[in-house]
Amino acid sequence: AQSVTQLGSHVSVSEGALVLLRCNYSSSVPPYLFWYVQYPNQGLQLLLKYTTGATLVKGINGFEAEFKKSETSFHLTKPSAHMSDAAEYFCAVTLSGGYQKVTFGTGTKLQVIP
Amino acid sequence: NAGVTQTPKFRVLKTGQSMTLLCAQDMNHEYMYWYRQDPGMGLRLIHYSVGEGTTAKGEVPDGYNVSRLKKQNFLLGLESAAPSQTSVYFCASYQPTGRSGANVLTFGAGSRLTVL
Repeated sequence: AQSVTQLGSHVSVSEGALVLLRCNYSSSVPPYLFWYVQYPNQGLQLLLKYTTGATLVKGINGFEAEFKKSETSFHLTKPSAHMSDAAEYFCAVTLSGGYQKVTFGTGTKLQVIP
Repeated sequence: NAGVTQTPKFRVLKTGQSMTLLCAQDMNHEYMYWYRQDPGMGLRLIHYSVGEGTTAKGEVPDGYNVSRLKKQNFLLGLESAAPSQTSVYFCASYQPTGRSGANVLTFGAGSRLTVL
């Protein structure tokens, strides 16, 4: 079984400030981890994913995340927030080896203050 | 480049009415999923399918039925709608690429259902 926990349902940052959205996972086997973004009234889009290999993963729009096995974490960061980053962000996990289900966290709404 | 298309986008039902949500994908994906999204609860898996003619239960299957008669379509049915089924429903699809592949889901735009 697998699960993810996102700390903080709402995060506010000033424009230009560091964005840090937290995600911790639990899985019985090596996980695959994802961050998705949802803009208002839209579906989810993939930001980035970790499968194997390099633990620092770069995604679209300047976001990146680091897989830390010892901390069971996959936090999402961006050095400088932009107004267009305001959205809801979801961390997700599945199991390696062709597992069929993807489990999502409860989401974090990011507000960017001008 | 339609991707995943959901119909209808909005629907209002009365308690006890039935309806079907249609999901269509044109990417020849093998796996398809129905999720519901509720405030503070993220996305929860209702049912999924790993191929034409197959379906399986997810986390919250009660009150819903599904069918996958054609590979490109995945239907979600509510036989007797309840106010607790007021939600935004998302369909997603995925093509497995082998043991090293990752389940990158392609999502539809969502269907907002209100049950009065």
